[in-house]
Amino acid sequence: DGGITQSPKYLFRKEGQNVTLSCEQNLNHDAMYWYRQDPGQGLRLIYYSQIVNDFQKGDIAEGYSVSREKKESFPLTVTSAQKNPTAFYLCASSLGTGETGELFFGEGSRLTVL
Amino acid sequence: QQQVKQSPQSLIVQKGGISIINCAYENTAFDYFPWYQQFPGKGPALLIAIRPDVSEKKEGRFTISFNKSAKQFSLHIMDSQPGDSATYFCAASREGSQGNLIFGKGTKLSVKP
Repeated sequence: DGGITQSPKYLFRKEGQNVTLSCEQNLNHDAMYWYRQDPGQGLRLIYYSQIVNDFQKGDIAEGYSVSREKKESFPLTVTSAQKNPTAFYLCASSLGTGETGELFFGEGSRLTVL
Repeated sequence: QQQVKQSPQSLIVQKGGISIINCAYENTAFDYFPWYQQFPGKGPALLIAIRPDVSEKKEGRFTISFNKSAKQFSLHIMDSQPGDSATYFCAASREGSQGNLIFGKGTKLSVKP
């Protein structure tokens, strides 16, 4: 089955710790995205990548980092610099560069900072 | 200019009724307007999308109405069913934005049996 796999589904972190969320896709999509979802806030773009070894900041990149070493993988690190990291994180992919089109989302990772 | 404003925040409809969710935008460069449906604990999924060269698009019970002059678009769900209960997001993007969607804040729809 083609799709996007996010892991872990639930994650707890102590304040001051970095945590990495995994996102893997087997859709052969060029573009990948990370969104943050908070209640009543919609989806806000953290980072996106159109090709391997390249990525750009979205609207709320502060306190986050990403890498894109392989086409199918786009991990997100939530660093200790992120002041309010508790949220639902969604990874998505789309066909590619310059296209407006469908985003395919994973099932999300819920991060809770204790 | 980059915002997409969505209303209402929540909506309760009886089974068989019509659900209507509205969105408004400012940026006239937007040229793609999708609606996403999200069930609790899941990621959003594309429901239906429209481009500004048409004023209406229908897929089954779901219809997008688009008013370019008013910079508004809406989702109509006919014969609403309890299984339609979900959160709905409108979004917009423009050519050359590398596919980046600007999302509305969402509408939580509850369809009562």
